Amino acid sequence: DGGITQSPKYLFRKEGQNVTLSCEQNLNHDAMYWYRQDPGQGLRLIYYSQIVNDFQKGDIAEGYSVSREKKESFPLTVTSAQKNPTAFYLCASSSGGSRTDTQYFGPGTRLTVL
Amino acid sequence: DAKTTQPTSMDCAEGRAANLPCNHSTISGNEYVYWYRQIHSQGPQYIIHGLKNNETNEMASLIITEDRKSSTLILPHATLRDTAVYYCIVRVAVEGKLIFGQGTTLQVKP
Repeated sequence: DGGITQSPKYLFRKEGQNVTLSCEQNLNHDAMYWYRQDPGQGLRLIYYSQIVNDFQKGDIAEGYSVSREKKESFPLTVTSAQKNPTAFYLCASSSGGSRTDTQYFGPGTRLTVL
Repeated sequence: DAKTTQPTSMDCAEGRAANLPCNHSTISGNEYVYWYRQIHSQGPQYIIHGLKNNETNEMASLIITEDRKSSTLILPHATLRDTAVYYCIVRVAVEGKLIFGQGTTLQVKP
């Protein structure tokens, strides 16, 4: 089955620890995105990548880092510099380069920092 | 990117059509209207999108006014599984960013 997988579904970490969230897609999509969602709010863009080995900051990149070494993978690291890391994190992908470039989302990872 | 305005919540009876409105009065000529929905604690699901013509797929219909300042998402026969938050988004073609607002919480009732 083609799709986007995020693991784990729930993640708990102690304050001050870095944590890496996984995102994998087998849709052969060029573009991948990371969003953050807080309770009762819409999604906000953290980072995005239009092609392998290239990525750009979104609206709330501070305290986060990413890498794009492979087309199918776009891991997000939440660093200790992120002041309020507890949130629902969503990864998305799209084919890229098209005028109707629809983004498809994974199931999300809920991160709780204790 | 253009801003959208949606009602905070709506109710719909099961089996009836659900009509979800969206205002986007500052939309530009190259901005598309996208609709996603999000069921609690899941990732958003793509529904439909359009530029200026009305669109229909297996999930819904999208009606865009002639001046493109507003649109309506129609779920023709709502079921309990359609209960979700529905997001109306306008975005420039090719750009990567989707700007999600607060959305409309649709409650489908038996």
